[in-house]
Amino acid sequence: KNQVEQSPQSLIILEGKNCTLQCNYTVSPFSNLRWYKQDTGRGPVSLTIMTFSENTKSNGRYTATLDADTKQSSLHITASQLSDSASYICVVTGGSWGKFQFGAGTQVVVTP
Amino acid sequence: DGGITQSPKYLFRKEGQNVTLSCEQNLNHDAMYWYRQDPGQGLRLIYYSQIVNDFQKGDIAEGYSVSREKKESFPLTVTSAQKNPTAFYLCASSIHGTSGRVGELFFGEGSRLTVL
Repeated sequence: KNQVEQSPQSLIILEGKNCTLQCNYTVSPFSNLRWYKQDTGRGPVSLTIMTFSENTKSNGRYTATLDADTKQSSLHITASQLSDSASYICVVTGGSWGKFQFGAGTQVVVTP
Repeated sequence: DGGITQSPKYLFRKEGQNVTLSCEQNLNHDAMYWYRQDPGQGLRLIYYSQIVNDFQKGDIAEGYSVSREKKESFPLTVTSAQKNPTAFYLCASSIHGTSGRVGELFFGEGSRLTVL
């Protein structure tokens, strides 16, 4: 069973609107959680990294939150742009060294 | 600029052939990884290496082989034993966290392998 679950699988939003992506995990012990953006046919690029003690972290129009008690994270995209169309992947690091646990990603499509 | 370079970007293979995907990094990272990405699934670990001349099997190593003769290079060979090799392959690297903390994963641009 995957230890990192993302929802929704995909979503379509109008340009300028906001959206929120969810990530639930069961990885233990927990080290940190990262959100990556992956454009079609490209490699993933890191957006944010959050450790156990951090609740919120922003990177421009992207804001990530973490609730370590409930093992949930969210990524909020504000005032979406066409360039935000991509897959967003939640990656949790924990357990033994070098083991990154990946969610299946949320495919976001921003339409004009 | 520092980064990870994968080649080729696109590769076609006939059944029964072995093919090798190249991965080079100039970030001076100790750890390197190969992942396979299929539609609707999370990245799956094929092999990883924490240090030169050493590597470990990941979750789906069957039908693949690697080498780590240099710190900068971690090539992946997809052998004829891999029955379903059509996929997007991603190479990544990270700093070796001596305190136990694992560094950020940096990814290459990927290689798309198609079996004809």
